[in-house]
Amino acid sequence: EAQVTQNPRYLITVTGKKLTVTCSQNMNHEYMSWYRQDPGLGLRQIYYSMNVEVTDKGDVPEGYKVSRKEKRNFPLILESPSPNQTSLYFCASSLSGFEKLFFGSGTQLSVL
Amino acid sequence: DQQVKQNSPSLSVQEGRISILNCDYTNSMFDYFLWYKKYPAEGPTFLISISSIKDKNEDGRFTVFLNKSAKHLSLHIVPSQPGDSAVYFCAASPNAGNNRKLIWGLGTSLAVNP
Repeated sequence: EAQVTQNPRYLITVTGKKLTVTCSQNMNHEYMSWYRQDPGLGLRQIYYSMNVEVTDKGDVPEGYKVSRKEKRNFPLILESPSPNQTSLYFCASSLSGFEKLFFGSGTQLSVL
Repeated sequence: DQQVKQNSPSLSVQEGRISILNCDYTNSMFDYFLWYKKYPAEGPTFLISISSIKDKNEDGRFTVFLNKSAKHLSLHIVPSQPGDSAVYFCAASPNAGNNRKLIWGLGTSLAVNP
């Protein structure tokens, strides 16, 4: 089954404690992206990757890191989480950057 | 500054009737538009798209209409079914060469009542 898998689904952490949200896709997609969804602000892109070892900033990259060492995986790293990073996070992949994105089920992150 | 606006946060229709979800945009560089559907506790799923060279695209019960002069698009669902109850997002992509991205609306929550 074609899918994008994110883990964990729910995460509660404290300010400053490094965390990683994993994302994996099994569709051999070149493009992968991370979004955050906040009330009243909609979906905003954090980082994206056009291919292995190629990553670039989206609209709200501050406080986040990503890596793309292999095609299927695109982890999101919060080196020192802060409460304003409490949000619902989605990973997505596609053949190109804007057509038919496949989304993961989301990760609800709370930073206390 | 919202470049893609879905002015109705919610919409309620009766099963079997038509649902019309609207989306307005401000950037004339947008040339590709998509609709996504999102159920609670799931990620958005692609529904239908339209290029700016067309004014209509149909896929089963779903039709998207594009009015470029008004910078307006709409999604029609006919007939509406209870399973269509979800949040619908409109998204647009500007013609920006290889570095395309999506600009998202805030979504419209559709409730289809049996």
